Amino acid sequence: QQKVQQSPESLIVPEGGMASLNCTSSDRNVDYFWWYRQHSGKSPKMLMSIFSNGEKEEGRFTVHLNKASLHTSLHIRDSQPSDSALYLCAASMYTGKLTFGDGTVLTVKP
Amino acid sequence: NSKVIQTPRYLVKGQGQKAKMRCIPEKGHPVVFWYQQNKNNEFKFLINFQNQEVLQQIDMTEKRFSAECPSNSPCSLEIQSSEAGDSALYLCASSLSREYAEQFFGPGTRLTVL
Repeated sequence: QQKVQQSPESLIVPEGGMASLNCTSSDRNVDYFWWYRQHSGKSPKMLMSIFSNGEKEEGRFTVHLNKASLHTSLHIRDSQPSDSALYLCAASMYTGKLTFGDGTVLTVKP
Repeated sequence: NSKVIQTPRYLVKGQGQKAKMRCIPEKGHPVVFWYQQNKNNEFKFLINFQNQEVLQQIDMTEKRFSAECPSNSPCSLEIQSSEAGDSALYLCASSLSREYAEQFFGPGTRLTVL
């Protein structure tokens, strides 16, 4: 059974628009969330991580975490065509291994 | 940019053949992870090491898969008898510590089993 669920599966936003991606873990043992971005044919690169309730912002990227519901979301403002990629949410605990969701494919239309 | 090196980038094997891939972690990173990403973008954790010691591995790894991280040599992942379902991108990642540290991924080895 999938322990990390991401939605939507795919998302199209216009250039300059806001992209919002969601992720929920069903494993109550996890306590750290990661967002990775994987461009086509490339390896995943970490965008942001979060373990505290609340919000964290880095440039155009904002991540939220609700620890009670184990829900995290990633918001990309002023989306650019170069942001088009597979966005992966992963959850981890003290063991270190990442449990990934199946990803959201983001397409930013010029 | 990540400096995890993986070789070969592409590997083609027949069913039943051995498939071996290697990984050099980033300098100073003692923890190494192996993941499998299939064509549906589903990730599966396979095994991780701290220095030469296995920390955790899944059942699948204990059967046809073997891995090691010898000192002063690249880490390796080997599939003893490849099956069509093993066709995937095998990603190696390294990190500074096991817990809560960013994992830096290599470019992967794309295995095709004919």
